[in-house]
Amino acid sequence: DAGVTQSPTHLIKTRGQQVTLRCSPKSGHDTVSWYQQALGQGPQFIFQYYEEEERQRGNFPDRFSGHQFPNYSSELNVNALLLGDSALYLCASSFEVNTEAFFGQGTRLTVV
Amino acid sequence: KQEVTQIPAALSVPEGENLVLNCSFTDSAIYNLQWFRQDPGKGLTSLLLIQSSQREQTSGRLNASLDKSSGRSTLYIAASQPGDSATYLCAGGWSNFGNEKLTFGTGTRLTIIP
Repeated sequence: DAGVTQSPTHLIKTRGQQVTLRCSPKSGHDTVSWYQQALGQGPQFIFQYYEEEERQRGNFPDRFSGHQFPNYSSELNVNALLLGDSALYLCASSFEVNTEAFFGQGTRLTVV
Repeated sequence: KQEVTQIPAALSVPEGENLVLNCSFTDSAIYNLQWFRQDPGKGLTSLLLIQSSQREQTSGRLNASLDKSSGRSTLYIAASQPGDSATYLCAGGWSNFGNEKLTFGTGTRLTIIP
C-alpha cells in the first residue's frame, strides 16, 4: 500500500513565478492537508480539503490556493512567489474523525 | 490560541539509555495528540496517536502519555539506539469536527551517541 506521495521532490523557482505542488493521499483516505515547514521550525497549517472543498484555512495569504480532485488527490498552488516562500511543503492525509494523519516526504521549494 | 512547546530543542544521550521527550500545550481541551519523527530533509513519520479519552499509547520501544489537566505529553523511548537519532515533533488537534489542523511544536533534535 503506497503511502502519501508528493511531487516533485525538489523545485527551484524565481521570485514572482507561480508553482504547483501535487499530493496523492494514502489509499482509503479522503482528507488532505497542506503544511509549510521553514528550516528549524515545526510545520505550519496552510489549509485542508475534504470532498473537494477547502474546509479550514490557516494564516496564509490568498497567494496560496489549492484544489482537491474527485480521486482525493490535491494540488497546492502558490502565486507571485517570494523568497520567504522557500520551505519544505508537506502534505498529510487522513480519514474520518480523529484518525492518524500520515505525511508525505515533502516538496523542497527554493525561491531565488 | 492553542500553542505547543517542546523543550529542550536538542538532546544527546548515550546508546542504551532510556529517555523522555517533553511536549506541553496551552489548551487542555485538546482532542488528540500525535508524535512524529523527522529525519533531516525528510517528511514526517507518525509514531503514536493519543486520543483525549486515552492516557497513553505504546508501540514497541515507544510509549506516549497524555495529561490534559497539566497540559503535557511525554514520549518515552526505551533502550535507545543510534537509529533513533532524529527530530521528534508533537502536534495537537483541538477540533472534533473531523481531523482538522494540527498545531506543531518546534521539535526536539535527538542524538544517540554510540
